[in-house]
Amino acid sequence: AQSVAQPEDQVNVAEGNPLTVKCTYSVSGNPYLFWYVQYPNRGLQFLLKYITGDNLVKGSYGFEAEFNKSQTSFHLKKPSALVSDSALYFCAVRALYGGATNKLIFGTGTLLAVQP
Amino acid sequence: ETGVTQTPRHLVMGMTNKKSLKCEQHLGHNAMYWYKQSAKKPLELMFVYNFKEQTENNSVPSRFSPECPNSSHLFLHLHTLQPEDSALYLCASSPLGAGGLSEQFFGPGTRLTVL
Repeated sequence: AQSVAQPEDQVNVAEGNPLTVKCTYSVSGNPYLFWYVQYPNRGLQFLLKYITGDNLVKGSYGFEAEFNKSQTSFHLKKPSALVSDSALYFCAVRALYGGATNKLIFGTGTLLAVQP
Repeated sequence: ETGVTQTPRHLVMGMTNKKSLKCEQHLGHNAMYWYKQSAKKPLELMFVYNFKEQTENNSVPSRFSPECPNSSHLFLHLHTLQPEDSALYLCASSPLGAGGLSEQFFGPGTRLTVL
């Protein structure tokens, strides 16, 4: 079965420091992986996705994610955190039988708190 | 804004009420989704529609009844809900094609409280 795991409920980082939000996956076949961010009282916003090609994927707001097939991981990273990055981050994998729609399986989310 | 709107943003209802949630997308997408978001749990996919046709019902209780009259509008009709149905209900849309790998665009959600 397809699944993603976000092992940390919360990540705390000081402004200006690098941040990492972890995600590991379990899939049958090729993994198609996504990161979304949710700000308070808002819906999810797409950050980036890995489909194929370069293992380092760049996305919105200066975020990037590294696909690591041997470790089955897709960690989200940013070189220098901003207070405004504080939000809930979701990793997701496309379901195997999504058909024409992008049926996603989401992790439980990681709350990122950036301290000034 | 993402181009997906949801109304109302907040809803409080009793267990015997009937209410409806509305979602509208202005992106020209042909796939629409309903999700349930509860604290400390992964987002739960409830329903998927392609070109107005329901293609997925994720074992959702019949007290939730979706309706998709056209590709731009999606409703979730609620009837005799339970307190455990209290959650944030999110609507999303995506274009079809691209091998089903397009990202989804989410609305802001409706915060539902069932008393």
